[in-house]
Amino acid sequence: NAGVMQNPRHLVRRRGQEARLRCSPMKGHSHVYWYRQLPEEGLKFMVYLQKENIIDESGMPKERFSAEFPKEGPSILRIQQVVRGDSAAYFCASSGGLPTNEKLFFGSGTQLSVL
Amino acid sequence: GDSVTQMEGPVTLSEEAFLTINCTYTATGYPSLFWYVQYPGEGLQLLLKATKADDKGSNKGFEATYRKETTSFHLEKGSVQVSDSAVYFCALTLHNTDKLIFGTGTRLQVFP
Repeated sequence: NAGVMQNPRHLVRRRGQEARLRCSPMKGHSHVYWYRQLPEEGLKFMVYLQKENIIDESGMPKERFSAEFPKEGPSILRIQQVVRGDSAAYFCASSGGLPTNEKLFFGSGTQLSVL
Repeated sequence: GDSVTQMEGPVTLSEEAFLTINCTYTATGYPSLFWYVQYPGEGLQLLLKATKADDKGSNKGFEATYRKETTSFHLEKGSVQVSDSAVYFCALTLHNTDKLIFGTGTRLQVFP
């Protein structure tokens, strides 16, 4: 009965490389949310996905960032050509559907460090 | 825009001390309010919530009351334990949305 699984826990990349962050939602959950926590800031919403669909990406930077949640497999947050400002903790959360407030389960996060 | 402001940490207390972590919000409309807790090495967990003015959320000895007049949702506990050491996040959502707006988090350290 695993919870939301994120991997890797820690990811180190050099400037210009690509970062791929994975999120496996809880069993039976088809809604996934990605949040980013920059140093000394709160968690900021990035994107909301359902299986094979992006529902709300209003928090995603316009360039270099993309997310997917395929029919099979984990949700992937992809950051191309990383820069130092991308260093942050990235959290994934999943739910079984709206209303989600009290049924949102978070993973332990991926700490991305860009050298 | 909508936002949450919470007191900076760390908050350092001795076991059995009284805890208050302040949280205020700015929102259009009538938000639902939440406290999440993150224990070391784990994901965020919902601690308690309140969905309308004057509601009191409570769980594990923690309480918070939704105060519309002061736009606040302060977290309190009468007697903290070492096991309460964690980071606490205040958050809100607006009606009929599923996006959480978080504060910056407050680290609580409880010493025996």
